[in-house]
Amino acid sequence: GAGVSQSPRYKVAKRGQDVALRCDPISGHVSLFWYQQALGQGPEFLTYFQNEAQLDKSGLPSDRFFAERPEGSVSTLKIQRTQQEDSAVYLCASSLGGGRSTDTQYFGPGTRLTVL
Amino acid sequence: KNEVEQSPQNLTAQEGEFITINCSYSVGISALHWLQQHPGGGIVSLFMLSSGKKKHGRLIATINIQEKHSSLHITASHPRDSAVYICAVRSHQAGTALIFGKGTTLSVSS
Repeated sequence: GAGVSQSPRYKVAKRGQDVALRCDPISGHVSLFWYQQALGQGPEFLTYFQNEAQLDKSGLPSDRFFAERPEGSVSTLKIQRTQQEDSAVYLCASSLGGGRSTDTQYFGPGTRLTVL
Repeated sequence: KNEVEQSPQNLTAQEGEFITINCSYSVGISALHWLQQHPGGGIVSLFMLSSGKKKHGRLIATINIQEKHSSLHITASHPRDSAVYICAVRSHQAGTALIFGKGTTLSVSS
């Protein structure tokens, strides 16, 4: 089937606005990851879901960031009261198994967020 | 100090050259990934290694667990190989998350 998809691909927000970024993982994939990639940097981990359970949210930079995966498939990353330092590409990845180290992560194209 | 360091940061080559990108890490790992990222953000997984060597087409990846070092080699480089190559590790401490290097930007000219 199709790979990981993300929407929107590009988002421009004014400082203080709330944004919601969507990730559609590969069908049947148990694990879902969100990463943040600042310009010129490698991605950094934000949060991890195994099915609908958010097992690790240690990478979320502040309580303005919230992620959910209510039915264990589509996930939404929400950022409240956006600030300029939130500008980055937000990457979603999914993998078949439940966090085993041998699983390949398949990445979506990312959402480029620009906060003015 | 970053837990995953890549070198060089930028690399230019002529078509046909042999390319080596290096990755060193400072944590205990269960797996190491080499990823390719093209302009526009899409990331493709090239290899996942826990030991030894893997080959796919013109790409070869090696890892030395004792030395905490991995290399990605590209033989007979081509302009379409131009991309950012990222090393990422799954550390014992980080659990499920990958820890990424900053990437190596490769530009191959014809």
